[in-house]
Amino acid sequence: KAGVTQTPRYLIKTRGQQVTLSCSPISGHRSVSWYQQTPGQGLQFLFEYFSETQRNKGNFPGRFSGRQFSNSRSEMNVSTLELGDSALYLCASSLGEAGGQPQHFGDGTRLSIL
Amino acid sequence: EDQVTQSPEALRLQEGESSSLNCSYTVSGLRGLFWYRQDPGKGPEFLFTLYSAGEEKEKERLKATLTKKESFLHITAPKPEDSATYLCAVQTGANNLFFGTGTRLTVIP
Repeated sequence: KAGVTQTPRYLIKTRGQQVTLSCSPISGHRSVSWYQQTPGQGLQFLFEYFSETQRNKGNFPGRFSGRQFSNSRSEMNVSTLELGDSALYLCASSLGEAGGQPQHFGDGTRLSIL
Repeated sequence: EDQVTQSPEALRLQEGESSSLNCSYTVSGLRGLFWYRQDPGKGPEFLFTLYSAGEEKEKERLKATLTKKESFLHITAPKPEDSATYLCAVQTGANNLFFGTGTRLTVIP
């Protein structure tokens, strides 16, 4: 069974640009969550989508947005990039029907802002 | 305020030297506690889910336990391939998932 796939693996952008990251969940998983991981802050929750609807949102500015498609694939967009947005962005999927289910992670997209 | 704290931040063990990692939490309503292993350049890999105090789960050299305030990940006779960062995450009653900052484990041959 294929795991969670994130593309691209690496991205280099400059301040002010925007970026779109993609995530394909495990087949059959309907919930997709996004996290930002940095050495200082650890894993910070961005948002969760379930059946194309945003079900939960973390404490990030509106420059961070996402969406989910009918096939459960998800994209995350960051506009007006800042130096502090440099991080590993992780996507995780779960069955999502109820709480208490583990999330399974992809290997992330490493975003570097110059 | 919901909070998850892991200790120690870093741990160096000799091969075969057993030890425990700690995850203490303060959350409103626990729906599940998860342990993950993360290798450099990779995403977290799921290890265990614990749902209620007194529950235990085992996998090879790893054993996770849960009380009402904390969880332990016991590593018995570790090998160098057990070197990784171990993350603990807690899911609250509101379905929010909070991660600790992890314990970086190094096992020396």
